[in-house]
Amino acid sequence: DAGITQSPRHKVTETGTPVTLRCHQTENHRYMYWYRQDPGHGLRLIHYSYGVKDTDKGEVSDGYSVSRSKTEDFLLTLESATSSQTSVYFCAIFTGTYEDTQYFGPGTRLTVL
Amino acid sequence: GNSVTQMEGPVTLSEEAFLTINCTYTATGYPSLFWYVQYPGEGLQLLLKATKADDKGSNKGFEATYRKETTSFHLEKGSVQVSDSAVYFCALLDMRFGAGTRLTVKP
Repeated sequence: DAGITQSPRHKVTETGTPVTLRCHQTENHRYMYWYRQDPGHGLRLIHYSYGVKDTDKGEVSDGYSVSRSKTEDFLLTLESATSSQTSVYFCAIFTGTYEDTQYFGPGTRLTVL
Repeated sequence: GNSVTQMEGPVTLSEEAFLTINCTYTATGYPSLFWYVQYPGEGLQLLLKATKADDKGSNKGFEATYRKETTSFHLEKGSVQVSDSAVYFCALLDMRFGAGTRLTVKP
């Protein structure tokens, strides 16, 4: 357990509304990631962060923005949610040690109607 | 660019059957390779990994060998249990994942 929590765990919203998902970690790891999981696609990287205020895009970043003002929190925002963004969203941290392992949060199920 | 191709599922086996889930990769160099497991309603957990060619990762009776000749990292288990029912993901160190293979083991 790497002390990763996500909130909310479930959310239903309407098309066009803004949505923010939060990832919180308790162990001060530098690297944090947001993925989405969809049937047939596995996990796809949306954005990642390599430190406070340092973020970069992943392979499916369109329609998403992120912010990291504190080491422990990484926020994912959908500025104007669309039905294609209905998915399960996972946050992950990378320990950056020899173990080279990612640890994942429990996920947020987002439904956009 | 780097990519991972994973055997499509779903896979349904009887308890104590032999399991193989195929994974092949395309990558520059020799990145670390991983298998993750996702149980229902949970996030992914690392199952095993290999960091260089010919390495064998193993955990909980599962094994996978890093084969650079065939660019493969197939997951195997000699005798599956009902509790192994889950979705399995192959991944590269650069955070690229396969599509996942759902395994169901029946008693």
